[in-house]
Formats: sequence, C-alpha cells, structure tokens
Amino acid sequence: DTAVSQTPKYLVTQMGNDKSIKCEQNLGHDTMYWYKQDSKKFLKIMFSYNNKELIINETVPNRFSPKSPDKAHLNLHINSLELGDSAVYFCASSQRAGAGGEQFFGPGTRLTVL
Amino acid sequence: AQSVTQPDIHITVSEGASLELRCNYSYGATPYLFWYVQSPGQGLQLLLKYFSGDTLVQGIKGFEAEFKRSQSSFNLRKPSVHWSDAAEYFCAVGALNNNDMRFGAGTRLTVKP
Repeated sequence: DTAVSQTPKYLVTQMGNDKSIKCEQNLGHDTMYWYKQDSKKFLKIMFSYNNKELIINETVPNRFSPKSPDKAHLNLHINSLELGDSAVYFCASSQRAGAGGEQFFGPGTRLTVL
Repeated sequence: AQSVTQPDIHITVSEGASLELRCNYSYGATPYLFWYVQSPGQGLQLLLKYFSGDTLVQGIKGFEAEFKRSQSSFNLRKPSVHWSDAAEYFCAVGALNNNDMRFGAGTRLTVKP
C-alpha cells in the first residue's frame, strides 16, 4: 500500500510543452505539498494545500499551477516548460496544517526538459 | 522564518565506524526537528523527529539525534555504520504555527568497505 504516490516517475519533454504531475495520498491527511529538488539536492517548498485550500505559495513562476480536486490529491501543472524546470519534484502530505508535523514523501518525479 | 544549516556537504566513513552528521537551526521558539534519509533515486524517509521532552531521540535503523538548545543543534549519530546507510541525509525544521518545513542542503554519506 503506497502512502503517497506520484505519476509519472520520469517525464522527458521538450521546452515549451505543458505537462502535469499527479499526486495522491491514502493517509487521510489534510495537508499536501509540492517540493522541487534541484541538481544539487537542495529541497525547496513550492506549494502547500490544506483541505484543498492554498496556504503556502513560495516564489514560484506562475507557469506552475497546483490543483487540488479533493483532499487526497494535489496535482502540479506546468505551462511552457523551460530548461531550468528540470529537477525532481516531490509530493508530500502531513496530518494537518499548523502543527509543524511529520511529512510523508512520495517517490518523486524526475522531470527533464530538453 | 526558520532555517537549517548542514555544514558538511559530503562525509566518508568506513563501515563499522561511528557517524555524526551536523545540523544547526535558526528559529525563535521551540522548533520541531527532523532527520530524513534519501537513498539514490528514492523519496525521503523519516529517520526520527523531536517535538518536546527527552532531548535524545531514537529513530529507525539504529540512528539517534540529540537536541541541544544552547547550541541550536540537532546532530544525527550512529555508533556503527553499515554499507546500506550510504545516502543523502536531510535535517529539517518545522514550527508550531505553520507547516512550512525548511530543509538543510543535505549531507551525502559515503561508506567505505
């Protein structure tokens, strides 16, 4: 039973394309996140949703748009992909917002923009 | 906002040797502290966490960490390293009133036979 799952695991695409990464958690958590991990392994939060509502939106280009159709899903849509978007994207979830609590991570999606 | 520093980018130890990975945090109130491990090509797995209480916390895989408020540190230790411990280790700090967890830059651990 996978707690936090992401699809696809690998995504290779051309510059200028639009792509989506899906994330689902079956832990019953209220809060979900997207992180970007660059080539130097630095992990930076992009977005956080609590009960389908956006609560953290770091300085991320507006080409990136998260969508949460329900509490268990947080998808990431990226428009007009650029070379610099190449990275590993991690989805995570935690029980609730505002508790500084443990986050559970998905396996990551390695995005390569050519 | 909170922040984390992991001073060592890369550490190499021999199998069977002891290990200490350093983590320093910056936060005005009591932090929530975490250590995560990332094996190659994998997601992050929680090793241990500190919220309150006993400052020496035990985690999975034989790891432990000690919270030292006076030094703003939360160093990770293991008495005897196994080859399977080779991975990237991340320290992270959270805060009570937000769920904005900040990660350190990571320390890559190499284990020599």
